[in-house]
Amino acid sequence: DIQMTQSPSSLSASVGDRVTITCRASQSISNYLNWYQQKPGKAPNLLIYAASSLQSGVPSRFSGSGSGTDFTLTISSLQPEDFATYYCQQSYSSPRTFGQGTKLEIK
Amino acid sequence: QVQLQESGPGLVKPSGTLSLTCVVSGDSISSINWWSWVRQPPGKGLEWIGEIFHIGTTNYNPSLKSRVTILVDKSKNQFSLKLSSVTAADTAVYYCASLYYYDGLPFFHHWGQGTLVTVSS
Repeated sequence: DIQMTQSPSSLSASVGDRVTITCRASQSISNYLNWYQQKPGKAPNLLIYAASSLQSGVPSRFSGSGSGTDFTLTISSLQPEDFATYYCQQSYSSPRTFGQGTKLEIK
Repeated sequence: QVQLQESGPGLVKPSGTLSLTCVVSGDSISSINWWSWVRQPPGKGLEWIGEIFHIGTTNYNPSLKSRVTILVDKSKNQFSLKLSSVTAADTAVYYCASLYYYDGLPFFHHWGQGTLVTVSS
């Protein structure tokens, strides 16, 4: 199985901050990397697919980059509604695996 | 607007079988999507269980493969999950989701709201 490791596991930040979350794959996954946002009691919501493509309807302050084993999700200017847990997920090979999540909290 | 809705018992006894159904609306179960199940134990991360294509082809997580069956019912535009020999470790929120391929790169596109299944006597 391909292991996905996110860092940090939790992060405190303020509205307006620029935030970066990293995701590392245990082997190369090309650009088969997706990012999801999950709020408490809700299903995950797709933000970024294919490492850097912004899902329709997702604000442009979200961006993704990377290829191979190292990936980043960046939020350029945090908004109150962005405080949530973020997961990366690889679709390069089965089983499809997720990172452990990064909880973004208000400072 | 594609919508998915899970249903099934919220409580299952240990050693029993967990059975859930996901009804799809706004899209045909025979579309290009694959149809997936993902679970999330309370306070923990996401685990992919498996997926099915409308012709019946399945992929399962090897960690659960011996206990999992995913089926599709085209007449009802729905798909189902059965997980046998459950233990407390199977207590989780279970989500159904569509898996969409864009230029050969798949992602979970639409999700159900999730349903909590507790394994307890």
